[in-house]
Amino acid sequence: EVQLVQSGAEVKKPGESLKISCHVSGYNFAIYWIGWVRQMPGKGLEWMGIIYPADSDTTYSPSFQGQVTISADKSISTAYLQWSSLKASDTAIYFCARQNIGNAFDIWGQGTMVTVSS
Amino acid sequence: QSALTQPASVSGSPGQSLTISCTGISSDVGGYNYVSWYQQHPGEAPKLMIYDGTNRPSGVSYRFSGSKSGSTASLTISGLQAEDEADYFCSSHTRSNTWVFGGGTRLTVL
Repeated sequence: EVQLVQSGAEVKKPGESLKISCHVSGYNFAIYWIGWVRQMPGKGLEWMGIIYPADSDTTYSPSFQGQVTISADKSISTAYLQWSSLKASDTAIYFCARQNIGNAFDIWGQGTMVTVSS
Repeated sequence: QSALTQPASVSGSPGQSLTISCTGISSDVGGYNYVSWYQQHPGEAPKLMIYDGTNRPSGVSYRFSGSKSGSTASLTISGLQAEDEADYFCSSHTRSNTWVFGGGTRLTVL
C-alpha cells in the first residue's frame, strides 16, 4: 500500500527552527516528485514547492522561495520541509503529496500541524 | 502568481447537478491541460478527483467530471449526494513550471 506518513504536530516559538518529515512507503520514492502544500487555519491550499528525490531537483513557489527549504533523503525514503526562523504567520497545516498521474497529487500525507506562538 | 478564481460557495439539493468553475489566465489554465481537482472534507487531507482536466482516477465516482474552455476549467457533480458536501480546490500547472491552487469552493448539500 502506498503511504505518506508525516511527523507529528509541533508547537514552536517565533525565531525557532523546525524540520518536519514525510516518510514514504509502498513505491520507489526516488522516481516520483514530492510536493508540499500549506493550509492556514480556515483557508485554502497553497502550493509551496516540489522535489525530485532521485537528484534533489527542487522548484519553489515564488511566495515560498527563500522562506523554506525542501529536501529529501533517498536512503530512508523521506522528504523534509524546514524553516530556519519561524514566524507566527507560519502557523498552518502542512501536507506532503506525491505527484503522479497528470502531474497531479494522487497520494497525500495526513498533514502536520505547526503552531508558532510566543 | 495569483490563485485561480473559484466561487466561494455553491449549494444544491440531493440529486441535482452543479458545476464549480476555476478561472485562470493564458499562462496557467489556458495554456496547459494539467488541471486537477481535489475534494477535502473537514479535518482530512485533500483527495484527487480529476486530473488532466477531464480524467478520473481509479475509484472516483463517475458522477464527477471535468472540462475546460479557454482559461476556465469546470468540475461538474451530477446526482448530488450528502457525502459530496466538502471543499473543492482546482489546481493548474503554470508557465513558471510551478503549480497554483484555486481559492476553494465550499459545496453545501441542502
